[in-house]
Amino acid sequence: GAVVSQHPSWVICKSGTSVKIECRSLDFQATTMFWYRQFPKQSLMLMATSNEGSKATYEQGVEKDKFLINHASLTLSTLTVTSAHPEDSSFYICSAVSGESSYNEQFFGPGTRLTVL
Amino acid sequence: GQNIDQPTEMTATEGAIVQINCTYQTSGFNGLFWYQQHAGEAPTFLSYNVLDGLEEKGRFSSFLSRSKGYSYLLLKELQMKDSASYLCAAVDSNYQLIWGAGTKLIIKP
Repeated sequence: GAVVSQHPSWVICKSGTSVKIECRSLDFQATTMFWYRQFPKQSLMLMATSNEGSKATYEQGVEKDKFLINHASLTLSTLTVTSAHPEDSSFYICSAVSGESSYNEQFFGPGTRLTVL
Repeated sequence: GQNIDQPTEMTATEGAIVQINCTYQTSGFNGLFWYQQHAGEAPTFLSYNVLDGLEEKGRFSSFLSRSKGYSYLLLKELQMKDSASYLCAAVDSNYQLIWGAGTKLIIKP
């Protein structure tokens, strides 16, 4: 099956710093990537849809200036959490599809656990 | 509004069979996914149904009834490694996924 990687797998940072998370599709070209966050014992919450070469589409309630998404190529999307605060601590997961819709099977990265002190 | 309902938690015995139900209300419908998620890990794909009926894949089967807005995931010959959360997600008319909160399945020896 298709493989999606994320880096880093975990990160601890001080409040006020920015953290960049990379999501890569290793063996296929991902027209669309999705960024989720997941709090303990809760389901996935879609944050934004990232399309290569265009601006990301953010879900309602997600601050686009705080969560910067860049989909620079068909195999790489990055999520930058700017001026992170403890409430941003969460499990961030990306997924990728080879088509242009989440209707297609999403291949998930392993996730990045962010802890903001 | 759009809504996915599934039980929060279920317990079953190793070697037994368990059925995890999912009901959905979406604006339009273009299929339903089941994903498995172990604690601290990302979800992994189990099944996709868009037509009514049962689809079997090894120990796991998934059923869909579009008229009832209902699906279930059936796990047979349960193994300890099946302890995980099972996420139900429906595809709406805009081809967006609507996720359920997940069902935590606990397998006891």
